[in-house]
Amino acid sequence: DSGVTQTPKHLITATGQRVTLRCSPRSGDLSVYWYQQSLDQGLQFLIQYYNGEERAKGNILERFSAQQFPDLHSELNLSSLELGDSALYFCASSPSWRNTEAFFGQGTRLTVV
Amino acid sequence: DAKTTQPPSMDCAEGRAANLPCNHSTISGNEYVYWYRQIHSQGPQYIIHGLKNNETNEMASLIITEDRKSSTLILPHATLRDTAVYYCIVRAFYGGSQGNLIFGKGTKLSVKP
Repeated sequence: DSGVTQTPKHLITATGQRVTLRCSPRSGDLSVYWYQQSLDQGLQFLIQYYNGEERAKGNILERFSAQQFPDLHSELNLSSLELGDSALYFCASSPSWRNTEAFFGQGTRLTVV
Repeated sequence: DAKTTQPPSMDCAEGRAANLPCNHSTISGNEYVYWYRQIHSQGPQYIIHGLKNNETNEMASLIITEDRKSSTLILPHATLRDTAVYYCIVRAFYGGSQGNLIFGKGTKLSVKP
């Protein structure tokens, strides 16, 4: 158990809908990362937050957004969903602004039908 | 883009040492070498990281060449549970975008009985 909690574990929704994925980092960790993993793309870095502020942005679509709240949990919002958004979404956390090891949650499996 | 090169797959006999190579010829002075693994759609798991000295922990050993252009992850006594995709990543220990965890395709290690 990495200490990172992601909910829900599974999500099935229709095209055009909007969903919110939630991540609770390890206790005391200030940085949160989001990744997307689809079958043909591998692990793609989406975005990173540190202590509530956006720190780095990767291949995140404009239809996607994220935020980190004062209690340090984070949410990834996916809107106008397409079939191609079906993937595993992972959240990771790390302790500080130094890039030490990151700990990953077990992921949310999103299926868009 | 990932800055490492790894063989796509390797086999190892159970109980033997698994030696996973990684080339990172463009590594810069402030970048560390990190290893993660992902067991069948679970969240990636941190294994070890190092700068220039060899490192060992309860999971593995990391051997980095003197010129830092390549490294080897050693699992001393591989078990069937070590079957996974292993990712070698170079990233800055400090700093924003240079510190992103960018995953390549990794090496799929199959441990066979």
